[in-house]
Amino acid sequence: EIVLTQSPATLSLSPGERATLSCGASQNISSNYLAWYQQKPGLAPRLLIFDASSRATDIPGRFTGSGSGTDFTLTISRLEPEDFAVYHCQQYGSSPLTFGGGTKVEI
Amino acid sequence: QVQLVESGGGVVQPGRSLTVSCAASGFTFSRYGMHWVRQAPGKGLAWVAVISRDGSNKYYGDSVKGRFTISRDNTMNTLYLQMNSLRAEDTAVYYCARIPLGSGTFDYFDNWGQGTLVTVSS
Repeated sequence: EIVLTQSPATLSLSPGERATLSCGASQNISSNYLAWYQQKPGLAPRLLIFDASSRATDIPGRFTGSGSGTDFTLTISRLEPEDFAVYHCQQYGSSPLTFGGGTKVEI
Repeated sequence: QVQLVESGGGVVQPGRSLTVSCAASGFTFSRYGMHWVRQAPGKGLAWVAVISRDGSNKYYGDSVKGRFTISRDNTMNTLYLQMNSLRAEDTAVYYCARIPLGSGTFDYFDNWGQGTLVTVSS
């Protein structure tokens, strides 16, 4: 099983600042099959990024995914008030599907 | 638009059974693989089970294997998760989630339901 480790656990930033979130894998993720999700309190996760760097439909350009192999990054170029949430990474390169523990981006 | 609506959650005693459902609309349900993902209170996401488009292939996470059964009714556009021998550690919000059209069994999730809370407690 591929273990995903997200860091930091909490990121305290202000609107307008840049956020850099990391997701490290215990093994190489096949074909860079890594996704990122945003989750707000009481709501379901929303897909942001798939295949490590492809933006999902209707996701703003300030969200960028990058990385390969075992190291992946989600960058939010300039935080908007609605971006404060928890972010999860997920690998789908091998079974079982696994998620990271999440990074909370707080004001 | 795509809608996934879970139902059937509630409080259940340890060792008992419960079935949760996910009603799908806004897309051709039979063309998509479907998953269950859960989230314990204050915790991260955990994959539970997957079923292929026609229901012929099913896979489970180790923590639920032998206790949970995923199924679907493509005529009713509904996904199910039957949960037996429930334990306190099964307490979680259970989400149904869709994988993209044309993908294999294991993929990312492009649409999620709002979730249903299952609490296992005496």
